[in-house]
Amino acid sequence: EPEVTQTPSHQVTQMGQEVILRCVPISNHLYFYWYRQILGQKVEFLVSFYNNEISEKSEIFDDQFSVERPDGSNFTLKIRSTKLEDSAMYFCASSEGKGLMYSNQPQHFGDGTRLSIL
Amino acid sequence: EDQVTQSPEALRLQEGESSSLNCSYTVSGLRGLFWYRQDPGKGPEFLFTLYSAGEEKEKERLKATLTKKESFLHITAPKPEDSATYLCAVNSGAGSYQLTFGKGTKLSVIP
Repeated sequence: EPEVTQTPSHQVTQMGQEVILRCVPISNHLYFYWYRQILGQKVEFLVSFYNNEISEKSEIFDDQFSVERPDGSNFTLKIRSTKLEDSAMYFCASSEGKGLMYSNQPQHFGDGTRLSIL
Repeated sequence: EDQVTQSPEALRLQEGESSSLNCSYTVSGLRGLFWYRQDPGKGPEFLFTLYSAGEEKEKERLKATLTKKESFLHITAPKPEDSATYLCAVNSGAGSYQLTFGKGTKLSVIP
């Protein structure tokens, strides 16, 4: 069964450093997402991406964050200058976008990248 | 603002002891309610989508139902391998794609 893959599984970075998290969405999916889950808390939406542009973002997704689809298969999340509070599990997800019912399509998640900021 | 509340936070069941998990939601216009299973250290695994009140979906020992204010995940004769955290999420609003998640119910099934 097709799946979303994320690399690396664990990233340790010094505060203030840039970090790039990588994702390969399911190949025929058109919508891509990033979520994060701080330990013991809810999964929180960060951003959605369609047709090579951001379609929606949350308040968490400030100027320190950016997303990119550099080629036909990868989807990346960049944090420019990491803070201690960026420590979390980051999940990539993708969904089909065919027809009119885009927002009802289930999102399929990868197993995440655990980001630890020292 | 969409809100999702799940109860109980944790549930311990004996193998074979059926029960239900609750997801209460407040949204401006529901476009889908999603149930996911999350194992430790893993991402959410999609289980069901429910679109309208009265709808039901089944998969093996799991059955999800939906009313206008809440959803239930019924677990019939659970096995130890059903142990996981079950997450409920909603999507609402025309043109919005984000999911709003609840905190989840951690289910432990004891042999």
